[in-house]
Amino acid sequence: EPEVTQTPSHQVTQMGQEVILRCVPISNHLYFYWYRQILGQKVEFLVSFYNNEISEKSEIFDDQFSVERPDGSNFTLKIRSTKLEDSAMYFCASSEIRFGGYTFGSGTRLTVV
Amino acid sequence: GDSVTQMEGPVTLSEEAFLTINCTYTATGYPSLFWYVQYPGEGLQLLLKATKADDKGSNKGFEATYRKETTSFHLEKGSVQVSDSAVYFCALSDESDGGSQGNLIFGKGTKLSVKP
Repeated sequence: EPEVTQTPSHQVTQMGQEVILRCVPISNHLYFYWYRQILGQKVEFLVSFYNNEISEKSEIFDDQFSVERPDGSNFTLKIRSTKLEDSAMYFCASSEIRFGGYTFGSGTRLTVV
Repeated sequence: GDSVTQMEGPVTLSEEAFLTINCTYTATGYPSLFWYVQYPGEGLQLLLKATKADDKGSNKGFEATYRKETTSFHLEKGSVQVSDSAVYFCALSDESDGGSQGNLIFGKGTKLSVKP
């Protein structure tokens, strides 16, 4: 069964450092998403990406965040200068159509120290 | 804005017990409703979905019925197994929001532990 692959599974970084979280969506999917889950809290929408541009973003997704699809297979989330409160599980997802439900990756646990 | 509320966990049951996890929603339009499951160490997996009122989603013995009159989408299973131990998330996607690209709004998740 096709999978969404995320790397790394766990990343520890120092406050103020840049991190890049990587995702390989399912190859025929057109819509891409990042979500995050702070420990013990809700899974929250960050950003959606379609046709090589951001289609929607939440208020969480401020200027410190950016997304890119650099080569037609990878989908990356960059946090420019990490803060302690960015510590969370980050999930990538992709879907073939808009409202059919997604396939999620296993997540990257980001710990900012 | 749209929101999802699901029962607090953790829920601990014995094998073969009946499971109900309550989920209610608030939406301005006509949402699609989903249950996702997260097994330990894994990502979120779509368990079932319903796209309109009175639809019943079902998968792996789990069922949920889209109840517009009570704005609910409770998850049920008649006889749980140890392998059902996981975190269950209720979610909605509001198609009537013309600007939406289908992003999901999740509940907090309910952890289920099933004991042999």
